[in-house]
Formats: sequence, C-alpha cells, structure tokens
Amino acid sequence: DGGITQSPKYLFRKEGQNVTLSCEQNLNHDAMYWYRQDPGQGLRLIYYSQIVNDFQKGDIAEGYSVSREKKESFPLTVTSAQKNPTAFYLCASSIWGASFYEQYFGPGTRLTVT
Amino acid sequence: AQTVTQSQPEMSVQEAETVTLSCTYDTSENNYYLFWYKQPPSRQMILVIRQEAYKQQNATENRFSVNFQKAAKSFSLKISDSQLGDTAMYFCAFMKHARVQGAQKLVFGQGTRLTINP
Repeated sequence: DGGITQSPKYLFRKEGQNVTLSCEQNLNHDAMYWYRQDPGQGLRLIYYSQIVNDFQKGDIAEGYSVSREKKESFPLTVTSAQKNPTAFYLCASSIWGASFYEQYFGPGTRLTVT
Repeated sequence: AQTVTQSQPEMSVQEAETVTLSCTYDTSENNYYLFWYKQPPSRQMILVIRQEAYKQQNATENRFSVNFQKAAKSFSLKISDSQLGDTAMYFCAFMKHARVQGAQKLVFGQGTRLTINP
C-alpha cells in the first residue's frame, strides 16, 4: 500500500531537548511538506521541499530544521529554540498533476514537551 | 499574501439535514485552487472537494458541493443529507496556480468544527 507514514503517533520530551519527527512516503512524490496544527487554528507551513537536497522555509520555520537526503524521507527536528513546541505535526507530499499539486497527508504526530 | 477566513468556529445539525460551511479568502491572484479538507477525530486530513478558479461551474462530489463566488472571494461547502460520519473539523484552503513545476503551498483557514447529531 502506498502512503505516508509518520512515527511515532505520540511523542513526549523534556524542555530543552531536540526531537526529530519522522516522515516517510512511498508514493514517489517529489515535494514534501511539514505543517503545524494548534487548537483553534488551521495548519501552518513550517518547511517544504521540492526535490532532494533542497528545502525552503515556510511561514513559521523558526526553531525547526529539516533535511531531505532521500526522496522518500523528510524528517523534522524541533529544536530547543522553538518556544512553544507542543502541537500536532502533519507531514504531506504532493506530485505534479495536470496543473496543480494535490497534497496527501500523513496521520500526524502529537508532540508534548514538558 | 493570501489569507483564508472561516467565520464559523462550530456548527451543529441533525442527521439528514443540509448544512453550509462558509469560507472567504483574500488574494490578488487570478488563477488558483480552493479546497475543502475534512479532519475526523482520527486527525487524518482527507480531501473532500476542490475547485479551479478558472472554472465557473461549481464542483460537486456526491453529497458535497461548493458555491464558488470568485468576485466575492467566497467558497462555501454544502453537505446534503448529512451523516454521523460527517462529524469532523472542516478546513478551507487556498493554493496559487503553479506556472512552473515546484512545491505549492496550501494556506488554511482556522477550521469549522461540525457535529452531526443523531
């Protein structure tokens, strides 16, 4: 089955620690994205990547870092510099269609930092 | 920059009723796409329906249809014969038309929590 996997589903960390969220896709999609979701707010874009070894900051990149060493993988590191890291994180991927990209989402990771 | 606004934080209807969720957006672009995503309690984001701005005809997918008013920058979602499984958060989203291949960002509204009561 093709799809996007995010692991783990729930993640707990102590304040001051860096943590890496996993995102893997076997859809052969070129582009990948990371979004953050907070209660009462829509999804906000953190980082996105069009191709391997290339990525761009989204609207709320401060305190986060990413890498794209393989087409299938786009891990997100939440650093200790992120002031409010507790949130629900969604990974997505997309492929060029007729004239637009349809984004497919993973199941998400709930990160709690105490 | 584009913005998307959903003015109804919560809505509740009885099963089998029709419900309309509102969405307005702001953009200076002429070509773009609009989407409605559903996020059930599982939190998996599911694409419900999309609309290309250059198409005048409103998109329809089974019980889901949209009312796209380009001049008014309005994009509402109508759910007919609502079912218990329609209970979810619904997000309106905007995407610019891509002139060249590359990642295209989605801009989301704040969401509307819809509850279908038995």
